[in-house]
Amino acid sequence: GAGVSQSPSNKVTEKGKDVELRCDPISGHTALYWYRQSLGQGLEFLIYFQGNSAPDKSGLPSDRFSAERTGGSVSTLTIQRTQQEDSAVYLCASSFLDRHNSPLHFGNGTRLTVT
Amino acid sequence: AQTVTQSQPEMSVQEAETVTLSCTYDTSESDYYLFWYKQPPSRQMILVIRQEAYKQQNATENRFSVNFQKAAKSFSLKISDSQLGDAAMYFCAYRTFTGNQFYFGTGTSLTVIP
Repeated sequence: GAGVSQSPSNKVTEKGKDVELRCDPISGHTALYWYRQSLGQGLEFLIYFQGNSAPDKSGLPSDRFSAERTGGSVSTLTIQRTQQEDSAVYLCASSFLDRHNSPLHFGNGTRLTVT
Repeated sequence: AQTVTQSQPEMSVQEAETVTLSCTYDTSESDYYLFWYKQPPSRQMILVIRQEAYKQQNATENRFSVNFQKAAKSFSLKISDSQLGDAAMYFCAYRTFTGNQFYFGTGTSLTVIP
């Protein structure tokens, strides 16, 4: 079946502009995660959506970052007033909620470059 | 919070040889799940293998196997008969049993030498 889909694949933006990154999870997956991966680094947790519960926003680095998930499916990560340090690959992943051994299924990521 | 440590930033292996990547974690839970992910240059994170903490038997997937030492909180990945396509970044991950949080190590970059 279809995997996790992210768009755009690459995004170049000027410092100070807003950007929106989109994630379409695997159908039926109720958990959705956003991670940030800076060049050569590990995965930094940003935010997690779990069904209809309030999202876990504990990983968002600043109030310039926000995310929403509409209808329990597609999610959008928004970065306002982008800064050069926001340049990274943003990875989205989804998983089943009620299967504890269910792994994360990742999209191909969006490479964001802030100039 | 749980922490996952990968102490080898880089590893290399000759083609057809065996290599072991290390992972340790810190937790107070008795039940949890462990995963190894592979990230090639294409940046797609691919699940390699998973292990349930309540299972004593080590998981295996073809050329990939783990050495799960629960008491030592160690979860190493062994790649046998290494192939050029195994070259990638490998991440160890821990999933909580009661929650839905995943914790990742910082990764090990594996080079396969022809």
